[in-house]
Amino acid sequence: AQRVTQPEKLLSVFKGAPVELKCNYSYSGSPELFWYVQYSRQRLQLLLRHISRESIKGFTADLNKGETSFHLKKPFAQEEDSAMYYCALSRGSNYKLTFGKGTLLTVNP
Amino acid sequence: DSGVTQTPKHLITATGQRVTLRCSPRSGDLSVYWYQQSLDQGLQFLIQYYNGEERAKGNILERFSAQQFPDLHSELNLSSLELGDSALYFCASSGRQGAVTGELFFGEGSRLTVL
Repeated sequence: AQRVTQPEKLLSVFKGAPVELKCNYSYSGSPELFWYVQYSRQRLQLLLRHISRESIKGFTADLNKGETSFHLKKPFAQEEDSAMYYCALSRGSNYKLTFGKGTLLTVNP
Repeated sequence: DSGVTQTPKHLITATGQRVTLRCSPRSGDLSVYWYQQSLDQGLQFLIQYYNGEERAKGNILERFSAQQFPDLHSELNLSSLELGDSALYFCASSGRQGAVTGELFFGEGSRLTVL
């Protein structure tokens, strides 16, 4: 069975500080990992995928198969990063996503 | 492209009743997914349809059912409602030709309150 764990429900940092949102997963095959974000009053949307290895809005995430983790990082948090972040796992394209319970990030001025 | 649309946005009903939530996917998307979001459980996958066929099933109660119609819109039917069914129900779609793998497009959700 697929499972995604986000150990922190809430995370609060100051503007300019580094931020790391943790995500661990369990899956026996080769998963595809994603981070989704929901800003206030907006729809849930894709932030980044492990397969593309890109940086979006300054965020990066590295898939660590040994530790079964996919932590989301940003070196200098901005107030506009405040949002709900969900880690998600899929076993392939056009298959369902299994989401973690989410981490609410608050970036204080 | 109007994106994923869900109706109704809000719904208040009583225990024991039955409701239908409707979802129109993005133009060209073949897959529709239903998720339930309650306070403590996060986003729980309910069911997925692909081009009219059931593709995957999650923790969907027997009181709940869904279908995807030939025009690709989908309906989620919730019956014999209980207080615990109060939640935000999201629909998402994907599967357009050339789309980014794993990118789901979400609707704004239908908030169901059972009194």
